[in-house]
Amino acid sequence: QQQVKQSPQSLIVQKGGIPIINCAYENTAFDYFPWYQQFPGKGPALLIAIRPDVSEKKEGRFTISFNKSAKQFSLHIMDSQPGDSATYFCAASKGSGAQKLVFGQGTRLTINP
Amino acid sequence: EADIYQTPRYLVIGTGKKITLECSQTMGHDKMYWYQQDPGMELHLIHYSYGVNSTEKGDLSSESTVSRIRTEHFPLTLESARPSHTSQYLCASSDAPGQYFGPGTRLTVT
Repeated sequence: QQQVKQSPQSLIVQKGGIPIINCAYENTAFDYFPWYQQFPGKGPALLIAIRPDVSEKKEGRFTISFNKSAKQFSLHIMDSQPGDSATYFCAASKGSGAQKLVFGQGTRLTINP
Repeated sequence: EADIYQTPRYLVIGTGKKITLECSQTMGHDKMYWYQQDPGMELHLIHYSYGVNSTEKGDLSSESTVSRIRTEHFPLTLESARPSHTSQYLCASSDAPGQYFGPGTRLTVT
């Protein structure tokens, strides 16, 4: 059972465009939703995260939009650059103790110059 | 910035060998995790630990074992490597709530 579903699987955007990656979750007990960025040969790096008490969070060019009623959240990358080309993973966890993350399937993003 | 280290970065080994993948962190985090990831694919949790002498199996069944004798050290062992164990193994640690990942070990079993 896939608890976090991520789409699209791959995405190609021109430089300056705004790629949007979507995730949907099933477990309403999830209360922490991070996004990770992974470059080839590297471990994932925490990019930005949101809790369900807010509908949007911005950090630099990265924005998370959160829709609690629809159980969906998305990552937007403003003014995308070729250096943003990477695989992006959404994730979710519940509770303040274990922080066992459930990851989405990943989106391979390519930003063309 | 998190400091979490994994060695070796790359390992090619023959079937039947015993291997240990090392993971160390310098942040004093109580919680540590091991994930298995095929290239470009999602991460699967195989082991986690909430502190010294605490280890649990993750969501993906794995033939590997782990130990947590010291807070900063969380090694993963495969007693008898098989080609099906070929994958990338990622170690992570957390205080709360985000997890910080090491660079990974790329394991190839021939």
